[in-house]
Amino acid sequence: DAGVTQSPTHLIKTRGQQVTLRCSPKSGHDTVSWYQQALGQGPQFIFQYYEEEERQRGNFPDRFSGHQFPNYSSELNVNALLLGDSALYLCASSRRGYNEQFFGPGTRLTVL
Amino acid sequence: GIQVEQSPPDLILQEGANSTLRCNFSDSVNNLQWFHQNPWGQLINLFYIPSGTKQNGRLSATTVATERYSLLYISSSQTTDSGVYFCAVERDNYGQNFVFGPGTRLSVLP
Repeated sequence: DAGVTQSPTHLIKTRGQQVTLRCSPKSGHDTVSWYQQALGQGPQFIFQYYEEEERQRGNFPDRFSGHQFPNYSSELNVNALLLGDSALYLCASSRRGYNEQFFGPGTRLTVL
Repeated sequence: GIQVEQSPPDLILQEGANSTLRCNFSDSVNNLQWFHQNPWGQLINLFYIPSGTKQNGRLSATTVATERYSLLYISSSQTTDSGVYFCAVERDNYGQNFVFGPGTRLSVLP
């Protein structure tokens, strides 16, 4: 049973560029949440997708957007990258009606 | 929004020692999880424990929901226990707006 997977593992971009990160949920899960973890801090909630719609959003600007596909996988897009967007981006999946979340290995984004 | 505090922020132990990590939260919650983040950044599920007590090997956890705190116990610590331990809570259902504490950084020395 595959767990949550994310790609790519690492990514280096320059300011102003756009980036797309990908996540495949754990088998049997239909809900995907995205988190940003800056160095030395706890993860912060970006948004959650269920039934291909954004269900709730944390305190992040519109430069952060996402998508969920019919197979429940998800993408996180960040436009107009800033140096402060450098972080570990974590994807979590869960099954609707069950609160426990499971996390992927993360994508480490560096913005130069 | 809900606030989550963890203590201590840093902990250094000798291999074989026991420890207790604490998580305080400011409001009632429907979900509370403990995670261990390894040096590569992977968050590993330890416990889903919105209330009550659970045990898994050398680890156990207790959440007293009415008093808004949770404790994680690590017994006979090993060097592989090193890393950051996070408590995360959710007021609503379905994993929306899951709020993490700042973490406790544990170093277990051989």
